[in-house]
Amino acid sequence: QVQLVQSGAEVKKPGASVMVSCKASGYSFTNYYMFWVRQAPGQGLEWVGVINPSGGIIMYAQKLEGRVTMTRDTSTSTVYMEVSSLTSEDSAVYYCARGDDTWGFDYWGQGTLVTVSS
Amino acid sequence: QSALTQPASVSGSPGQSITISCTGTRSDVGNYNLVSWYQQNPGKAPKLIIFEVTKRPSGVSDRFSGTKSGYTASLTISGLQPEDEADYYCCSYAGGSTGVFGGGTKLTVL
Repeated sequence: QVQLVQSGAEVKKPGASVMVSCKASGYSFTNYYMFWVRQAPGQGLEWVGVINPSGGIIMYAQKLEGRVTMTRDTSTSTVYMEVSSLTSEDSAVYYCARGDDTWGFDYWGQGTLVTVSS
Repeated sequence: QSALTQPASVSGSPGQSITISCTGTRSDVGNYNLVSWYQQNPGKAPKLIIFEVTKRPSGVSDRFSGTKSGYTASLTISGLQPEDEADYYCCSYAGGSTGVFGGGTKLTVL
């Protein structure tokens, strides 16, 4: 069965960086895009970016451009998202989600809570 | 990229039908048939219920349906059930491999 398992919760100070991982299993890793979505406490969903694990497309939300980096390791079927220069506004649950050219995100990770606090 | 516009809340009684709208622009909803809808229960990850405007993933009840007209997509839930109470989000492709979500709608089943 398809599973996306994310790394654990993080607490970071303002200005630091955080890396969240998302390990995929149960399907061909390179056949689907991986999207990242975040949700601040009590707020709605926000599209963060997308990476094509087979290479090529990596795109970030304009709001985070310059501070977010997405990478993948095909040998372990894992994608990574790093956010730098963290502020309190980056405090959120970060989700990875599988998708394809339909832009429907059919499987989601369990979410990773990132808290930015001094 | 501005968020798509959804009503903050809707409500209905069991058995009734409700519709949630999702309004975008010519750059997203109006230009692509790549609108999806998600149901989210408290503390849980979102669940895909509609993709490509009208299509339902396997296992999703046919009480959920989607349409689009111009810059507005809509999700209709018929035969409302108590377990439908949740937050609902639309999402649209916005060109250039980017996407945008709606602000979310809280559905209350009275």
